[in-house]
Amino acid sequence: DVKVTQSSRYLVKRTGEKVFLECVQDMDHENMFWYRQDPGLGLRLIYFSYDVKMKEKGDIPEGYSVSREKKERFSLILESASTNQTSMYLCATNPQGAATDTQYFGPGTRLTVL
Amino acid sequence: QQQVKQSPQSLIVQKGGISIINCAYENTAFDYFPWYQQFPGKGPALLIAIRPDVSEKKEGRFTISFNKSAKQFSLHIMDSQPGDSATYFCAASMNTGNQFYFGTGTSLTVIP
Repeated sequence: DVKVTQSSRYLVKRTGEKVFLECVQDMDHENMFWYRQDPGLGLRLIYFSYDVKMKEKGDIPEGYSVSREKKERFSLILESASTNQTSMYLCATNPQGAATDTQYFGPGTRLTVL
Repeated sequence: QQQVKQSPQSLIVQKGGISIINCAYENTAFDYFPWYQQFPGKGPALLIAIRPDVSEKKEGRFTISFNKSAKQFSLHIMDSQPGDSATYFCAASMNTGNQFYFGTGTSLTVIP
């Protein structure tokens, strides 16, 4: 059974803190994605990675960075959290070369920045 | 710029009725059109998907209608049930890329 796990379901941080969100998949997929979900805006792509140590910017990369040191793990980093980064963050994966295949999502991390 | 436009933003349907959600796209290179269903507190999960070589795909009570010339596709939920209450996202992707483009979502409420 496909499994994508995210390190925290709920997270509360203060403005200026460095925040790490982690995603782990057990499907040996090459592609991994980070989205943020906001009401009325849908899912917006922050970054994605198609291989270890490879990354590409999505539509809204400002204020974020990512790390992929191992195939199964993809981390999203907020270098200095701000209140406008309060959101639901979703990790997803799919096999490489299969943008016409299902994306598998984790349960999400709801981040609140005070 | 939103690559996939979705409407309506919210929808309320009586139990047993038909729910219809519409999406439109501009990029003719898109060749895969999935719909995702998301329940509160959960990540989206694939519901049904279609490729542009067919005009309709049906799985149980869920049907995708696809109009290639109009660059539109829609999700129909027949005999809607309270358990269908969720947020629905349409999406599009192309075989030559890695990225999915999502609509803004539709919050469906089915009232008993």
